Amino acid sequence: DTGVSQDPRHKITKRGQNVTFRCDPISEHNRLYWYRQTLGQGPEFLTYFQNEAQLEKSRLLSDRFSAERPKGSFSTLEIQRTEQGDSAMYLCASSFLRGQGEDYGYTFGSGTRLTVV
Amino acid sequence: AQTVTQSQPEMSVQEAETVTLSCTYDTSESDYYLFWYKQPPSRQMILVIRQEAYKQQNATENRFSVNFQKAAKSFSLKISDSQLGDAAMYFCAYRSTQGGSEKLVFGKGTKLTVNP
Repeated sequence: DTGVSQDPRHKITKRGQNVTFRCDPISEHNRLYWYRQTLGQGPEFLTYFQNEAQLEKSRLLSDRFSAERPKGSFSTLEIQRTEQGDSAMYLCASSFLRGQGEDYGYTFGSGTRLTVV
Repeated sequence: AQTVTQSQPEMSVQEAETVTLSCTYDTSESDYYLFWYKQPPSRQMILVIRQEAYKQQNATENRFSVNFQKAAKSFSLKISDSQLGDAAMYFCAYRSTQGGSEKLVFGKGTKLTVNP
């Protein structure tokens, strides 16, 4: 297992187009997270999955954004009708957490940089 | 809502010297986690160190240690014997253990430059 993989690394799209990103977490991790990071800012939480269930969504996740994690494996993040304000780095992370057990932090992927022109 | 503040947008240190990065947070909770993450240029974010709020002892990982002051809601990171590879953005993050939220709340980061 080589860690958390994200594809593509870079995406340039025209305003109004739809885009989809993929994240492959560490195989034994049950939690998967999506964050968005804009220039000069820390990452902002978008959503998280425990196995295949989407358990938490940020208010940042407008109805143009949708995320899935079928079968609790890889995840996709889709942005419909992209806007220039969607330009950012989209980070995926995974972790293993059993119930209220100890949190040893996330493993992040390298991110997908989206540019909307 | 919890907030995390990193008051130093940029810091610099000479190689082999020690530097301390500041972080304060706001919460009404008594139990939580705090983390420092490192993000090198164009590379993925990696965990540097973690602290559980109910533990009094400050966490240490090799050259990295924290000064956790719970009452003051302060969580600073000390890097000893700085190396060129320590140059990166450093983010402080908070995670609640209550209310079922799993999200990390990040500060805006501190850019650390290491001078040879």
